[in-house]
Amino acid sequence: SQKIEQNSEALNIQEGKTATLTCNYTNYSPAYLQWYRQDPGRGPVFLLLIRENEKEKRKERLKVTFDTTLKQSLFHITASQPADSATYLCALDEDFGNEKLTFGTGTRLTIIP
Amino acid sequence: ETGVTQSPTHLIKTRGQQVTLRCSSQSGHNTVSWYQQALGQGPQFIFQYYREEENGRGNFPPRFSGLQFPNYSSELNVNALELDDSALYLCASSLKSGGLSYEQYFGPGTRLTVT
Repeated sequence: SQKIEQNSEALNIQEGKTATLTCNYTNYSPAYLQWYRQDPGRGPVFLLLIRENEKEKRKERLKVTFDTTLKQSLFHITASQPADSATYLCALDEDFGNEKLTFGTGTRLTIIP
Repeated sequence: ETGVTQSPTHLIKTRGQQVTLRCSSQSGHNTVSWYQQALGQGPQFIFQYYREEENGRGNFPPRFSGLQFPNYSSELNVNALELDDSALYLCASSLKSGGLSYEQYFGPGTRLTVT
């Protein structure tokens, strides 16, 4: 069966350190993978998209990697700040570019001052 | 803040009733997707509308239906409400180009409670 797993429900990181979140999937052949941030009571906010033929993408303090052999994406936040505290969701298209975007359950990240 | 708006923000309904949720897309976007998010879970894809037609559907029964209007705004209708329909309903707009729609811009959601 198809599954998306994010490494942990909750992650606590000291301010200034790098936070690394993991997204693993099975039985999917995605064209791309996306990362979103969600604050309590709000809708998800798009952060980064990485395509299946890309290894790495960066945006300011954010970095995403995508390994289609390992079926894994890593999401890094460098120089983390308390304002980065939120739930982070990975999402992918179910079958190479079709319209059904499937989300993981999310990792709740807390940056400790 | 995205340009996607949803109404109402909160709603309480009784089991068996019907509900209509509304979404206004971000300017320039031609595609609307609806998601259901239960507490502690990721959003689950309900369906997507492109050019006023359903374009992809998740594992939701037919009592979940939708509409997209010429101005790309959209409605989600749920008939015969069940207790398990209690959730945050999210609308997301995107721009479909070359056959694919990419990053999605979410509204704040409608919190539906069924009693």
